Amino acid sequence: LAKTTQPISMDSYEGQEVNITCSHNNIATNDYITWYQQFPSQGPRFIIQGYKTKVTNEVASLFIPADRKSSTLSLPRVSLSDTAVYYCLVGDVFYGQNFVFGPGTRLSVLP
Amino acid sequence: GAGVSQSPSNKVTEKGKDVELRCDPISGHTALYWYRQSLGQGLEFLIYFQGNSAPDKSGLPSDRFSAERTGGSVSTLTIQRTQQEDSAVYLCASSPGHFNTDTQYFGPGTRLTVL
Repeated sequence: LAKTTQPISMDSYEGQEVNITCSHNNIATNDYITWYQQFPSQGPRFIIQGYKTKVTNEVASLFIPADRKSSTLSLPRVSLSDTAVYYCLVGDVFYGQNFVFGPGTRLSVLP
Repeated sequence: GAGVSQSPSNKVTEKGKDVELRCDPISGHTALYWYRQSLGQGLEFLIYFQGNSAPDKSGLPSDRFSAERTGGSVSTLTIQRTQQEDSAVYLCASSPGHFNTDTQYFGPGTRLTVL
């Protein structure tokens, strides 16, 4: 199983870009990388998913280098409402197995 | 549209009792996942269903845990002879089951407290 690590916490200010990196050194060939946002007492909410290179949607970008041993979630111009815990998830979405979450990064956005 | 629902939202039980947790996935989603999150801890994968079949049950913490899915829809997670360390939020997620990329949609969770 892929072992995933993330920084435990990060601080940022409103309007800044935030980059959160997840390390997954032994990611498997069929594994995808997914990022979730979680607010207290709520279930995780999907942000973005990718396999390699760069993926962008309306809320975030995901950068995955060629060796896929890490991934970086980029949140442009964060606001106070982006204060949450962010999890990376590595797993085989083809067969629905070997899902491993990172420990989560608690992002605090300050005014 | 309706999202993933779970019931009960909260469950308090005594050590040694059995509990059953229910998940109603989004209509049409073929894939269903169970996770748990202990207090102040990260997320732990338990089991995955494609349709009614669970190809890999090794994520279940012990043989006291079992899960089933019927009709390709509702799933139940059963914990027998509950222990205090089973206390956690149990989360269910469903996804369309597409093979290229797949997005999991999470329910609100069931908070289980074992006294």
